[in-house]
Amino acid sequence: EAQVTQNPRYLITVTGKKLTVTCSQNMNHEYMSWYRQDPGLGLRQIYYSMNVEVTDKGDVPEGYKVSRKEKRNFPLILESPSPNQTSLYFCASSFLDRDRFEAFFGQGTRLTVV
Amino acid sequence: GQNIDQPTEMTATEGAIVQINCTYQTSGFNGLFWYQQHAGEAPTFLSYNVLDGLEEKGRFSSFLSRSKGYSYLLLKELQMKDSASYLCAGDPANQAGTALIFGKGTTLSVSS
Repeated sequence: EAQVTQNPRYLITVTGKKLTVTCSQNMNHEYMSWYRQDPGLGLRQIYYSMNVEVTDKGDVPEGYKVSRKEKRNFPLILESPSPNQTSLYFCASSFLDRDRFEAFFGQGTRLTVV
Repeated sequence: GQNIDQPTEMTATEGAIVQINCTYQTSGFNGLFWYQQHAGEAPTFLSYNVLDGLEEKGRFSSFLSRSKGYSYLLLKELQMKDSASYLCAGDPANQAGTALIFGKGTTLSVSS
């Protein structure tokens, strides 16, 4: 079954304590992305990756890091979380070839920073 | 910029037809996506239009006019389970589906 798996699903942490949200896909997709979703603002892209070792900033990258050492994994790292990073986070994996498109989102990670 | 605009909320009744509109600035997008998102869940892919015209998939159809910067999602024979948020998104022309610009979503409430 095609899947994008995020962990953890829920996390409450304190300001400044480094954390990592993992994302893994089993579809051999080249493209992966991280988004955050906030009320009234919609989904905004944080970082994306077009392949192993190729990452780039999205619209709201400040305070986040990512890595893509393997095709299937794309972890999101918050080195020093702050309360304004409290949000619902989604990892996405996609494949695009001419008019064929596949896009899958993970189940989401609800992060609260206190 | 590449703003995407869609209505915030819509209501409809079971069995009806509803059209959710999406407008965007015409430059810069390859195509338009529609996603469905139930509260607290992940968005699920509904459609991707890269050519002008209507594409039909069962009860859901999506339309695109590139020259007008306009798309819509048409839902027929509405069911209660169609109550969800519907997200319109564009993919910037130079980023091949890796970077999606989302609208803020349209919350559809279907009543009996």
